[in-house]
Formats: sequence, C-alpha cells, structure tokens
Amino acid sequence: SAVISQKPSRDICQRGTSLTIQCQVDSQVTMMFWYRQQPGQSLTLIATANQGSEATYESGFVIDKFPISRPNLTFSTLTVSNMSPEDSSIYLCSVDYRLQETQYFGPGTRLLVL
Amino acid sequence: GQQVMQIPQYQHVQEGEDFTTYCNSSTTLSNIQWYKQRPGGHPVFLIQLVKSGEVKKQKRLTFQFGEAKKNSSLHITATQTTDVGTYFCAGPRDSSYKLIFGSGTRLLVRP
Repeated sequence: SAVISQKPSRDICQRGTSLTIQCQVDSQVTMMFWYRQQPGQSLTLIATANQGSEATYESGFVIDKFPISRPNLTFSTLTVSNMSPEDSSIYLCSVDYRLQETQYFGPGTRLLVL
Repeated sequence: GQQVMQIPQYQHVQEGEDFTTYCNSSTTLSNIQWYKQRPGGHPVFLIQLVKSGEVKKQKRLTFQFGEAKKNSSLHITATQTTDVGTYFCAGPRDSSYKLIFGSGTRLLVRP
C-alpha cells in the first residue's frame, strides 16, 4: 500500500487563525481526498483534491473556509481558515492509489482550536 | 440522500466472546469495504467485498456481503484485546471513487 504522511500531526491554534495541513504520498496517485472526523464520530468527506484543477467540495464545505491545493500527483494541502472551536477535529487525507474504490489514509492531523 | 448505518454503536465484550457488527445501506452498493480504526489511530483498510452473498475470512474475522448488496456484517470469533477499535463499513458514493462511511461500531474488550 501507499505510504502517506501528514504534517503537522497535531496542533493547538487560536481562533481566527489559519492552519495548513500537508499530505505527502510516496507514489503518484490520481484520487486524493480530505476528510474531517469529529470526536467519536464517523468520517465526513470535505473535498476531492484534483491535480491541475480546483478541488471538488462536498455539501457544507466551501473553498473560502477550506482552500485546497494539489500541485502534483504526490502532494496536497488543506488549509483550515479563520478557525473557531467548532473546527477542532481530526483531519485526514486519503488516496485511492489503485483506483479500486478502496482508500488508504494518512495518520491524521489532530487540531484543537481555543 | 444515500446513507450507511451500523449497529450496534458500541459494544463491550469479555475477551474470548464473539462480536458482530451490521452495516445497512439505503442504496444498492457495487462493493462494500471495512476499515478498522484503533484508538488514536487512523482508519486502516481491512477488506473489500464485491459479489452478492460473498463471504471472506481473515483469521478470526468473517465478512459477509448481503444477497441484495445493501447490507454487510463483520463477525469476530473469540475476541482479543488487539481487536479493540472502531469498525467502519463504507461503500462507493454515486458511482464515483468517493466513499460514504457508516456510523461505526466501537468495540471494547475486557481482558
């Protein structure tokens, strides 16, 4: 399976600030996704990160709040903008590197907003 | 919209007891997948089932896909403390590469 890393692994941030999360994959992948997982909850898809074009956002998530970059087939960033305590969550990137509709997840970024 | 539910939400068993979690989709799925998330960890892919009525085994874990391809189950025989975690089922969304995840079943095992 692909090796996926995320930075930072965790952070504590002040409300009103922004945090950029990086996701690096050890091989080229077409499909890359960003999820949010609130404490004790399931995974909610934020957006699909498309290489060379704008990300595709799910209902309830907007580009101004969660801008995403995908400069190449091995890297993506998710920014959580103008944070509030409600943004405290685990943020996970995932890839479907075999295009078999199965996904492999990065270790996650644990974000606490005060 | 498409929904995937799991029951139970939570189960606490004595080590050595069996455990089963059930997954139900509001729509027919082309495949169903199962993931395990250890406490403090990230979801890890376990298995994918594609065929109607398919049964697959991984050591003490048995996975089944329903005949109508709308439900699935994961059964663990003789649980061990290493089985602790949350088990999620997931299915493709809208014939895309996106996944919709079930609500999850959290398993705790008493040693």
